[in-house]
Amino acid sequence: KQEVTQIPAALSVPEGENLVLNCSFTDSAIYNLQWFRQDPGKGLTSLLLIQSSQREQTSGRLNASLDKSSGRSTLYIAASQPGDSATYLCALQMDSSYKLIFGSGTRLLVRP
Amino acid sequence: DAGVIQSPRHEVTEMGQEVTLRCKPISGHDYLFWYRQTMMRGLELLIYFNNNVPIDDSGMPEDRFSAKMPNASFSTLKIQPSEPRDSAVYFCASSTGTGNEKLFFGSGTQLSVL
Repeated sequence: KQEVTQIPAALSVPEGENLVLNCSFTDSAIYNLQWFRQDPGKGLTSLLLIQSSQREQTSGRLNASLDKSSGRSTLYIAASQPGDSATYLCALQMDSSYKLIFGSGTRLLVRP
Repeated sequence: DAGVIQSPRHEVTEMGQEVTLRCKPISGHDYLFWYRQTMMRGLELLIYFNNNVPIDDSGMPEDRFSAKMPNASFSTLKIQPSEPRDSAVYFCASSTGTGNEKLFFGSGTQLSVL
């Protein structure tokens, strides 16, 4: 059974710092991996999607990498801003069926 | 586009009552998903539809839960009778494509069953 782990559960950093969020999984036979952002009281916003054949995806200050062999993905946030404060979740898709398996998330606080 | 629209935003009800949650997916999206989020279990997929047809309902916890999609622009999730352990945030999401497309979530319905 696929298990998705996100460590740390919470992270507090000063504004301007570059940071890395981690996502690990036990079964490397994934179809794709998405990183989501969730603001308090809001739904989830998909940030980046990495297909199984890809190694990384970039959007603005965000860069997500995928290493299936080691069962790891990282989300890199450059020059963090207070507006980046949110919970970040990774989610795996094991096949084309659209069923996502979510990690428990990392709650990020960027201090001004 | 207004995105995925869910109603109501908040629902407070008493145990035993029927609860109906509503969702309007993004126009043109062929897939619709219902998720539930709790502190203890995180995000769980309850059921999803493709072209209005239920494809996988293995995540529906009990017979008290039912979901319908009468047309491409509307879906409901019904709980009857509701129980306190059903208290959670229920999200609707939609997507389109071949399986490598991003998922778009609604703002959710916060359900409290007293």
